[in-house]
Amino acid sequence: NAGVTQTPKFRILKIGQSMTLQCTQDMNHNYMYWYRQDPGMGLKLIYYSVGAGITDKGEVPNGYNVSRSTTEDFPLRLELAAPSQTSVYFCASSPPPTQYFGPGTRLTVL
Amino acid sequence: ELKVEQNPLFLSMQEGKNYTIYCNYSTTSDRLYWYRQDPGKSLESLFVLLSNGAVKQEGRLMASLDTKARLSTLHITAAVHDLSATYFCAVDRNSGGSNYKLTFGKGTLLTVNP
Repeated sequence: NAGVTQTPKFRILKIGQSMTLQCTQDMNHNYMYWYRQDPGMGLKLIYYSVGAGITDKGEVPNGYNVSRSTTEDFPLRLELAAPSQTSVYFCASSPPPTQYFGPGTRLTVL
Repeated sequence: ELKVEQNPLFLSMQEGKNYTIYCNYSTTSDRLYWYRQDPGKSLESLFVLLSNGAVKQEGRLMASLDTKARLSTLHITAAVHDLSATYFCAVDRNSGGSNYKLTFGKGTLLTVNP
């Protein structure tokens, strides 16, 4: 099993550009999550999903969108990138209760 | 709003010594998680504590949960250099519910010196 995979690993965006962060899991978990981690801080929940077709907001959803059309994939969309979205983004999946994290995407917005 | 506070935030230890990291949280919950993160890496699950009085041990690490005091501890016994990492506790904001939404502490950066 590959577990949770994320692409890309690194990305630099200009202000106002859009992009999609990809997250895929091969463990057939129903629950999936997106977090961001700012320097020296813990993770903050952006969005989560309890199954295909079901998503809901976390603590810091503004500026992001998600969709979940399959059990395996949970992409995160940034529509108009802002410097405040510079962060490391982690995707996680869960049976539950334990959450298993992907390797992360380091995003810089300039 | 659930607040999760860890202390200390920075911990420098000598090999062979014992120490405890504390995790306090502000609202009722009986689901608490401990994770480890190495520099530039992802998070690795260490312990999941799901009831008052729960205690789990793995190697030199032992975690416990006191839901009445809203406190979890991560005890390190006879520290070794390989334990150097950042340790996060996380609390389920919807304890008893089915969403498992976590609020993380800021993390404790542990450095174990020879």
